[in-house]
Amino acid sequence: DSGVTQTPKHLITATGQRVTLRCSPRSGDLSVYWYQQSLDQGLQFLIQYYNGEERAKGNILERFSAQQFPDLHSELNLSSLELGDSALYFCASRQGHNSPLHFGNGTRLTVT
Amino acid sequence: EDKVVQSPLSLVVHEGDTVTLNCSYEVTNFRSLLWYKQEKKAPTFLFMLTSSGIEKKSGRLSSILDKKELFSILNITATQTGDSAVYLCAVEYHRGSQGNLIFGKGTKLSVKP
Repeated sequence: DSGVTQTPKHLITATGQRVTLRCSPRSGDLSVYWYQQSLDQGLQFLIQYYNGEERAKGNILERFSAQQFPDLHSELNLSSLELGDSALYFCASRQGHNSPLHFGNGTRLTVT
Repeated sequence: EDKVVQSPLSLVVHEGDTVTLNCSYEVTNFRSLLWYKQEKKAPTFLFMLTSSGIEKKSGRLSSILDKKELFSILNITATQTGDSAVYLCAVEYHRGSQGNLIFGKGTKLSVKP
């Protein structure tokens, strides 16, 4: 168990809908990263937060947004969902740059 | 464009074989390289490398980084069926005040009994 908690584990929704994925980082970790993993694309970096502030942005669509709250948990919001958004979404946390990322078990999103 | 390339994409070996997985990268302002093992769910951390030429070892697994030639290798000796997984390489770099950590597409290793 990595100590990173993601909810829900599975999510099935329809095109056009909006969902929120939640992540609780390991105790003491200030950085939270979000990744999307699909079969043909591998792990794609979406966005990173550090202590409540956005630090880096990757290939995140405008329909997606995220935030990190004062208690350090993070949420990834996906709106106007399309079939192509179906994927496994991972959250990972770390203490700092000299420490490894620790991943949650992911949320599997299926858009029908 | 910053990128991480892993090879081979897939590999099938028999128990007891030794395998070498490759990871090459092209990034500016390199910070570190990490190896992960992914079975069914979350990637689990194996190694973090920041300095060239220093081998990191954990049991039958070892890894080394070459910052001049921009690559790393992951070796697994005396493979077991439990080593079957996707092995991911990630590179962290920084750009101005921002950092980024990008992954290669992975090497799928299948170890047959």
